[in-house]
Amino acid sequence: DGGITQSPKYLFRKEGQNVTLSCEQNLNHDAMYWYRQDPGQGLRLIYYSQIVNDFQKGDIAEGYSVSREKKESFPLTVTSAQKNPTAFYLCASSTSGGAGDEQFFGPGTRLTVL
Amino acid sequence: AQSVTQPDIHITVSEGASLELRCNYSYGATPYLFWYVQSPGQGLQLLLKYFSGDTLVQGIKGFEAEFKRSQSSFNLRKPSVHWSDAAEYFCAVIWSGSARQLTFGSGTQLTVLP
Repeated sequence: DGGITQSPKYLFRKEGQNVTLSCEQNLNHDAMYWYRQDPGQGLRLIYYSQIVNDFQKGDIAEGYSVSREKKESFPLTVTSAQKNPTAFYLCASSTSGGAGDEQFFGPGTRLTVL
Repeated sequence: AQSVTQPDIHITVSEGASLELRCNYSYGATPYLFWYVQSPGQGLQLLLKYFSGDTLVQGIKGFEAEFKRSQSSFNLRKPSVHWSDAAEYFCAVIWSGSARQLTFGSGTQLTVLP
């Protein structure tokens, strides 16, 4: 089955630690995205990538980093510089990043900072 | 700044009743409009989208939405709600020329009473 997988589903980290969230897709999509979701708020874009080895900052990139070394993978690192990292993180992908492309979402990773 | 507003944080309806969820967007360039649904702890699923043409669009699960340019609105409707429709619903917009970035509303939580 084609789709997007995110791991782990739940993640706990101590303050001051970096943590990496995994996102893999087998849809052969060129574009991939990372969103953050907080209670009572919509999704906010952290980073997106329209092609391998290229990515752009979204609205809330501070304290996060990404890489896009392979088409199917777009890991997100939450660094210790992120002031309030506890949130639900969603990865998405689309065919080419065009305005009309449907974005397909993974099941999400819930990150809790202890 | 361009924004998307969902004025109803929480809506409760009885099973079998009709449903309308409101979405307004700030005026700007031509919008591409989307409605997504999210079940608890899950990713988002696309219900429907509007790019151009007929302003009444049909989606999955019996949902429809109507684009009204004069009111900057894209309200979601369903004639008869089922218990399985209980979820959170997000309106999202891409403005042409906006680097193809989805802007989400804050969501409407739907509760369905038996």
